[in-house]
Amino acid sequence: EAQVTQNPRYLITVTGKKLTVTCSQNMNHEYMSWYRQDPGLGLRQIYYSMNVEVTDKGDVPEGYKVSRKEKRNFPLILESPSPNQTSLYFCASWGVSGNTIYFGEGSWLTVV
Amino acid sequence: AQSVTQLGSHVSVSEGALVLLRCNYSSSVPPYLFWYVQYPNQGLQLLLKYTSAATLVKGINGFEAEFKKSETSFHLTKPSAHMSDAAEYFCAVRDPGAGNMLTFGGGTRLMVKP
Repeated sequence: EAQVTQNPRYLITVTGKKLTVTCSQNMNHEYMSWYRQDPGLGLRQIYYSMNVEVTDKGDVPEGYKVSRKEKRNFPLILESPSPNQTSLYFCASWGVSGNTIYFGEGSWLTVV
Repeated sequence: AQSVTQLGSHVSVSEGALVLLRCNYSSSVPPYLFWYVQYPNQGLQLLLKYTSAATLVKGINGFEAEFKKSETSFHLTKPSAHMSDAAEYFCAVRDPGAGNMLTFGGGTRLMVKP
């Protein structure tokens, strides 16, 4: 079954404690992206990857890092989380044709 | 750079009334356009998509959208609102002229009154 898997789905953490949200897709897609969703602001792009070792900043990259060492994985790293990074995070992937976008189920992250 | 604008962060209609959610975009080349719906505490569900075939696109749950190149719009409509349509709706654009990036609008929360 074609899917994008995010983990963890729910996390409460403390300020400054490094964390990684994993994203994995099984469709051999070239493109992957991370978004954060906040009330009234819609989904804003954090980082974007066009293929292995090719990444680019989105609209709100501050405080986040990513890597794309393998085609299937695109982890989101919060080196030193802060409360303003409390949000709902979505990972997405799509192929070159891009007719179908696949989303993970979302990761609820709370930083206290 | 591509951008997506959804006019009206909140739209309220009566049950049985027409639903119209507006989406305008900017893109360097003909884009691919999507509408997603999100119910409370759930993920994103695809309603419909435009991928350069017919300009009038029919989706699930009775929704449809029309791609108008001259107006750079992709408004979402439904002839008769149902209580179960209450949700947040997002318009998204994938722009082949901008590295195939996928950009979302700010969302519109649809409220349906009995």
